[in-house]
Formats: sequence, C-alpha cells, structure tokens
Amino acid sequence: SQKIEQNSEALNIQEGKTATLTCNYTNYSPAYLQWYRQDPGRGPVFLLLIRENEKEKRKERLKVTFDTTLKQSLFHITASQPADSATYLCAHPGTGGSYIPTFGRGTSLIVHP
Amino acid sequence: DAGVIQSPRHEVTEMGQEVTLRCKPISGHDYLFWYRQTMMRGLELLIYFNNNVPIDDSGMPEDRFSAKMPNASFSTLKIQPSEPRDSAVYFCASSPTPGQGEGYTFGSGTRLTVV
Repeated sequence: SQKIEQNSEALNIQEGKTATLTCNYTNYSPAYLQWYRQDPGRGPVFLLLIRENEKEKRKERLKVTFDTTLKQSLFHITASQPADSATYLCAHPGTGGSYIPTFGRGTSLIVHP
Repeated sequence: DAGVIQSPRHEVTEMGQEVTLRCKPISGHDYLFWYRQTMMRGLELLIYFNNNVPIDDSGMPEDRFSAKMPNASFSTLKIQPSEPRDSAVYFCASSPTPGQGEGYTFGSGTRLTVV
C-alpha cells in the first residue's frame, strides 16, 4: 500500500528564512499530491495541490515541487513568519478511482521571531 | 457556506457507553470522509461515502464502529460500546470529486475521551 513519509522532527527556523519541508512516498507515483496546514485543536486546511506533470506550483509565499524520479515533494515557505508555525501534512488522495486518501504524519514548523 | 460542521466539539463518556458523532458536509460535495487522529497513529481514514453510499469501510477498527449517511447533508459515526482506546480526535471532511484542484475541507473535529 502507498505510504507517505514526512520528517517527524520539528523544524525550527528564524523569521524571514525559507522553510523547506519534505514528503516522500513509496510505491507508485500518485497523479497528484496535496499539502495541508493544521493548527492545534483544528482540522487540516487545504493549501495546494500539485499534479505529477507539474514540476512546481506557487501560491503567494508558498511553493511546492514534485519529483517523480525521487518520489518526493518539497514544500517551501519563503520569508517565513511566526504565524506560519503549524504542522504541515502531505496527502496522497488515492488513484484509479479508489479515493482512499493517505496522509503523512506531518512535520511541525516553528518560526522564531 | 459555513464549512463542514461537526458536533459535539468535545465528548467525555464512560467506557461501555454509546457515542454518536455528527457531521454536516458542505453542500454540493459528493464525498464525505471520517478520520481519526492520534499522536501515535496520525490521521487515519475510517470510512468514506460517495453520494451517500459507503464505499470503503476497511479503516473501521472493528464492529463497535458504524457510520451512516442518510442524506447528502448529514452523517453519523457511532461507537458502541466505547472503550478508552477509542479516545482520539475524530474529523469529518468533505470534497467534490477528488483531483479537480480542491482538497478536502475538514471540520473542527470532535475530541472524544473515554474514561
């Protein structure tokens, strides 16, 4: 079965720096991957979807890449702010019409002022 | 739209009691998902519905768990009898047909504590 792996260790960075989070998957390459943000006590919030034929996608200060050779997606936040502190989840929404979404455990990002 | 609405937000119950969690998806979303999140296991899919029909319930832990979707605007997840190991945050999420550019919209969750 498909597995999504994210770094379980928290990422600590200084305000203004670029945060880079990693999502690796096993087995087959999905048609797309999704990234979510989750704040404590809240449900995940959808941020971006990137398709396998898209090398890169941007939304404001966010950038996502998708490398099917490495079986990896990178999530970047440029000019990070303390308000960006949260847990970021990667998700593979299933393929072949069987929409069985698999989420990674998420990586906690802490941006220090 | 008010988003996905879940109730209650918190539930504390004694072992052996029946627990019912409720969810109102976003109008027009054809898919509804029930997830459970714990520190140990992360976010686990329990069951999902398409057009009110259960499609895959292989994530349901055991027969004590059941889910229904009687109409497009309401779903329930029931645990009977509840056990302490069921303590977790339960999320409901809905989406239009996946892969169209929108992700899943999650509710705020129900934090269940079984004592």
